[in-house]
Formats: sequence, C-alpha cells, structure tokens
Amino acid sequence: GAVVSQHPSWVICKSGTSVKIECRSLDFQATTMFWYRQFPKQSLMLMATSNEGSKATYEQGVEKDKFLINHASLTLSTLTVTSAHPEDSSFYICSARVVGLAGGGEQYFGPGTRLTVT
Amino acid sequence: GQQVMQIPQYQHVQEGEDFTTYCNSSTTLSNIQWYKQRPGGHPVFLIQLVKSGEVKKQKRLTFQFGEAKKNSSLHITATQTTDVGTYFCAGRKVGGNKLVFGAGTILRVKS
Repeated sequence: GAVVSQHPSWVICKSGTSVKIECRSLDFQATTMFWYRQFPKQSLMLMATSNEGSKATYEQGVEKDKFLINHASLTLSTLTVTSAHPEDSSFYICSARVVGLAGGGEQYFGPGTRLTVT
Repeated sequence: GQQVMQIPQYQHVQEGEDFTTYCNSSTTLSNIQWYKQRPGGHPVFLIQLVKSGEVKKQKRLTFQFGEAKKNSSLHITATQTTDVGTYFCAGRKVGGNKLVFGAGTILRVKS
C-alpha cells in the first residue's frame, strides 16, 4: 500500500526558533499533500493543501507566513513553523492523496510529528 | 462551511459487545472515508464509500453510506480489545478536494 513518511517524529525547540517538518510519499507520486494539526484527544484540523509546483492553499485562520509550506517535488512537501511559540506545540500530520478509480482518493497519513516548543 | 458531525464522542463497551459510530454531514458528499487512530498513533485508512446506500464489510466491521450520501455508520460486531482507538469519519463534498473530519469516537473495550 501507499506509504508516507514524516521526519522528524518528534522535536523540541526553543521559543522563537523555526522548525521544518518533511513529508515524503515513498512508493507513489503525490500531486497533492495535506497538512493537519491535532490537539490531544481532538480531531484533525486541516491547515493547508499543498500542491506540487504551486502555492499552498491555507484554511481560514491559518497564518501562511507562520506555517510555510513548500511542495517542491511529487514526493516531498515541507512544513516550516516559523518563530515557534508554546501555543504551536501540537501533533502535525501530513497526508498524501491517492486518486483511485472512483476519483475520490483515499488519503494515507504520515506517522506525525510531535512538536514541543519550550 | 462543510461540517461533519460524529457521535458518540466516547463509548466504553464490554468485550464481545457491539459498537456503532454515526457520522452526519451538512452537505452531500461525493465519498466518505473511515479511519482508525490508535492511542499515540496516526490515522490509518480503513475504507472509502462512494455509492448511495453502499454497504461494505471488513471482517467484523460493517460500513454504510446513506441513500442521500449525507450520513454514514461504522458498526463493529463482538468487539475485541484490539479494536480500541479513535474512529474518524471524513467526508469530501461533491466537487471538493479536501476531507473534513468528524470529531471522532473514542472506543474503549473492557475485557
């Protein structure tokens, strides 16, 4: 099946620094990747849709200058949390969409990155 | 905007009992997907339903998509301790690109 990797799996950083999270589709090409944020015991909140070769589409309320997304190739998307603050601490999960015969396309999720900002 | 409601929020069952979680969308969906997330893990794709009234089974799991393509359910027969986790439904509206997730149902199974 489709495998999505994510790196790092966890990171602790100091307030004010930036953190880059990588999301890779290992055995398929993903023209579209999605970035989610999940707080403990809550659902996944879509942050942005990342399209290869073009600008990401951000959801309402997500600061695009704070959460920089780059989708440079068909297998790699990156999320950079700039000038991180403790309130940015969360579980960040990427997913890649596999377009099936029905056109809907299931999404395969990376293992997630747990970010803690001190 | 599009909303996906999921109930119950939490269910604690005795091993061997059945479990059902329900999902309802504010808009007509092109498809609905179900995911399972184990504690500390990431969501894992279970199934996708596309057709109106569709019913799919995976061993003890039965998934249904409503006739109006606005609601769905996941039913687990004779739960086992390995079924514990959070079950999310996620819907994609007609013509849309993104999945909107329900709040999830946390399932705990007591042996």
